[in-house]
Amino acid sequence: DSGVTQTPKHLITATGQRVTLRCSPRSGDLSVYWYQQSLDQGLQFLIQYYNGEERAKGNILERFSAQQFPDLHSELNLSSLELGDSALYFCASSLTGDNSPLHFGNGTRLTVT
Amino acid sequence: SQELEQSPQSLIVQEGKNLTINCTSSKTLYGLYWYKQKYGEGLIFLMMLQKGGEEKSHEKITAKLDEKKQQSSLHITASQPSHAGIYLCGADIMNRDDKIIFGKGTRLHILP
Repeated sequence: DSGVTQTPKHLITATGQRVTLRCSPRSGDLSVYWYQQSLDQGLQFLIQYYNGEERAKGNILERFSAQQFPDLHSELNLSSLELGDSALYFCASSLTGDNSPLHFGNGTRLTVT
Repeated sequence: SQELEQSPQSLIVQEGKNLTINCTSSKTLYGLYWYKQKYGEGLIFLMMLQKGGEEKSHEKITAKLDEKKQQSSLHITASQPSHAGIYLCGADIMNRDDKIIFGKGTRLHILP
């Protein structure tokens, strides 16, 4: 058990809808990362937060947004969903965000129909 | 193009055999991370390498970062069924805005 908790485990929704994925980092970790994993693209970095502030951004679509709250949990919001957004979404946390390993949650499997 | 290339993409070995997985970057790496993933599950952290020439071991798995810090290899000795899964390398790439990026993974199958 990595100590990172993601909810829900599975999500099935229709195109055009909006969903929120939730992540609780390991106790003591200040940095949270979001990744998207699909069969063809592999594990793609979306965004990183450190102690509530956005720190790094990857190829995150404008339809997607995230935030990290004062209690350090994070949410990833996906809107105007398309079929191609179906993927596994992982949250990871690390102690500092620099040169410290990431610890991954078990992911949220999103299916857009 | 993929900034972190892993090879091979897939590997089938007989139980008890040794195997090596490679991870290559076109840029110098700040740090290199190895993870293992069971299908559809989260990634499990194996090892982190930072210094050129550094080598680390965990049980029967050994990973090394080359002197130029552009390539890493992961070696499994006397493979067991429990080693089956997807191995991913992740890296801090110097002078990038992104944080840790990942290779596409190597699928390892162990034949009994």
